Amino acid sequence: AQSVAQPEDQVNVAEGNPLTVKCTYSVSGNPYLFWYVQYPNRGLQFLLKYITGDNLVKGSYGFEAEFNKSQTSFHLKKPSALVSDSALYFCAVRDILDSWGKLQFGAGTQVVVTP
Amino acid sequence: NAGVTQTPKFRILKIGQSMTLQCTQDMNHNYMYWYRQDPGMGLKLIYYSVGAGITDKGEVPNGYNVSRSTTEDFPLRLELAAPSQTSVYFCASSLQRGGPDTQYFGPGTRLTVL
Repeated sequence: AQSVAQPEDQVNVAEGNPLTVKCTYSVSGNPYLFWYVQYPNRGLQFLLKYITGDNLVKGSYGFEAEFNKSQTSFHLKKPSALVSDSALYFCAVRDILDSWGKLQFGAGTQVVVTP
Repeated sequence: NAGVTQTPKFRILKIGQSMTLQCTQDMNHNYMYWYRQDPGMGLKLIYYSVGAGITDKGEVPNGYNVSRSTTEDFPLRLELAAPSQTSVYFCASSLQRGGPDTQYFGPGTRLTVL
């Protein structure tokens, strides 16, 4: 079975400061890992994914995430947050052995960036 | 490309009524998924399909049914609506060429059962 934990319900950060959203996962085999963002009353938008290779993955809107196999983590980061980054962020995991592509989502982390 | 479209955007049902949530994608994706999103719970998989005529249950299938007669469409049927089905429903699709293709999401349907 696979699972995802996002330990923070909400992250508050001032504009211009670094932003980190935490995610840890559990899978039977090796993971594929994803980050999505959801703006109010919208669907989920893909930010980035880790498949294999370089542990640092760069994605849309200046976001990046670091895969750490020993800590089973995939934290999302942005060096300088914008007010427009305020949204709900979801981490998701897929077991590499799952050929149906099913994703397990975390509960989500609300990011609030204040001016 | 319109991507993944869902109708209706909003719906209020009475207990015991039925309805179908429509989902269409124009990306020629093989794989399609239905999720429900409840506050603080993330997204839970209801049903998924890996091609026309092939569907399977996800994590929370009770009270729902699906069909997949074409590549483009993947409707979700609610029979005998219950208050517990009040949620936001998202449809997603992916190509799945053998690798971890990205799932693309529709805008969602907000359903209230009273």
